[in-house]
Parts: sequence; structure tokens; C-alpha cells
Amino acid sequence: DTEVTQTPKHLVMGMTNKKSLKCEQHMGHRAMYWYKQKAKKPPELMFVYSYEKLSINESVPSRFSPECPNSSLLNLHLHALQPEDSALYLCASSQDAEETQYFGPGTRLLVL
Amino acid sequence: QKEVEQDPGPLSVPEGAIVSLNCTYSNSAFQYFMWYRQYSRKGPELLMYTYSSGNKEDGRFTAQVDKSSKYISLFIRDSQPSDSATYLCATFAILNDYKLSFGAGTTVTVRA
Repeated sequence: DTEVTQTPKHLVMGMTNKKSLKCEQHMGHRAMYWYKQKAKKPPELMFVYSYEKLSINESVPSRFSPECPNSSLLNLHLHALQPEDSALYLCASSQDAEETQYFGPGTRLLVL
Repeated sequence: QKEVEQDPGPLSVPEGAIVSLNCTYSNSAFQYFMWYRQYSRKGPELLMYTYSSGNKEDGRFTAQVDKSSKYISLFIRDSQPSDSATYLCATFAILNDYKLSFGAGTTVTVRA
């Protein structure tokens, strides 16, 4: 089973709202990732967690706050987003940082 | 210069044709090479994963890596309308903290 699940599938939020995106995998993978993907562009890396510790933050604005409660879960907390943050947010996981990444279906976010 | 170059297309072929996709890369440290398929409004799905130079075949899909020319290819034989998607090449190097470098993605349409 190479499944990464993400909830919600769609999210519409105002610029003053606080919301969270959730990602889950049960493959025993020890690395998890958040990506942002705009239309007709490849995914852009935001954060990497390795063994539940944040190992890479690609200079993402503080209105995005990642959290890794345990080895199977990854959250992305959203606060005071801007309309330009509207995008498909993808979670991925890999056995370890040097292994192939498997992506979830994404959460399509619209910020009004 | 981008680390991975990929012609975004679009590419349109008749059903049953061979689809040929390719990418070039600039960093000789790249060692792992992937092809992802992404349907509209969905997350990328791993198709093929190769390490170093050579060919790898999986059903109708063949991936080729030529490290001497820094060139990677994906061939789809007997293409089907269900193959219509965006195909992303990706690569990473241990020296780059395992961060994936994506090509721009090529949009393929297989006409019935």
C-alpha cells in the first residue's frame, strides 16, 4: 500500500481564518513533506520532516506552520493567508529522505 | 538556468502511438530519477523510478537515463486516452539534501 491521504480535499477560507490541512500515511515512512503547486507549475517544496523533526524549511512565510504530531501524521496550520496562497497543497512521504516520494491527492485551497 | 529542463508541450498523439517525453538536467550529482503522472486536479503519482544510467521497463512504460548526456526519457507504448495527463520528471542528489528537482511537466493528450 503506497497511499498518502489528505484532508480536506477542498478548502475555502477568508484571510482572517485559521484552518489546518492534514496528511496521513501508514507505510512506516520516516520522511514527510509539504509542497505547494500552482496551476501548470511543478510542485514547490515547503517543508521536510525527517524522523518527526523539521529538517528543511524553504523560507516559507510564517503564516504557514507545519506540525508533525507523530510519524504517521503531518499537519499544516494556516493563518492570515493571502489570495496568492491559493493553490494545491500536496503532502508526500518517503521511507527515508533518500528514497522515492509518494504524493497524496492534495488539498485544493482557495483564499478569498 | 533551471536544474531540470522539460518541454511543457502540449503534446497530442493519436491512440496507439508511442509517446516520447524527455528532460535534461544540469547537476551531475543527480543520481535518482523519477517520472510522475499527474491527472488534472490530482496529486502526482509515481510511475517509474530509476537509479543511475540504464533502462527500466514496466508494462507499456520505459524509462531511460543517460547520465553521460544528462538526459532522461519516458516512452509510453500503445498509448491510451487514459494516459492523457501531465508527466513530470524529477531527480535528486544526496548532496542536495534529497530535495526533488522537478521539470516543468509535459501535458499529454491521447486522442481516441
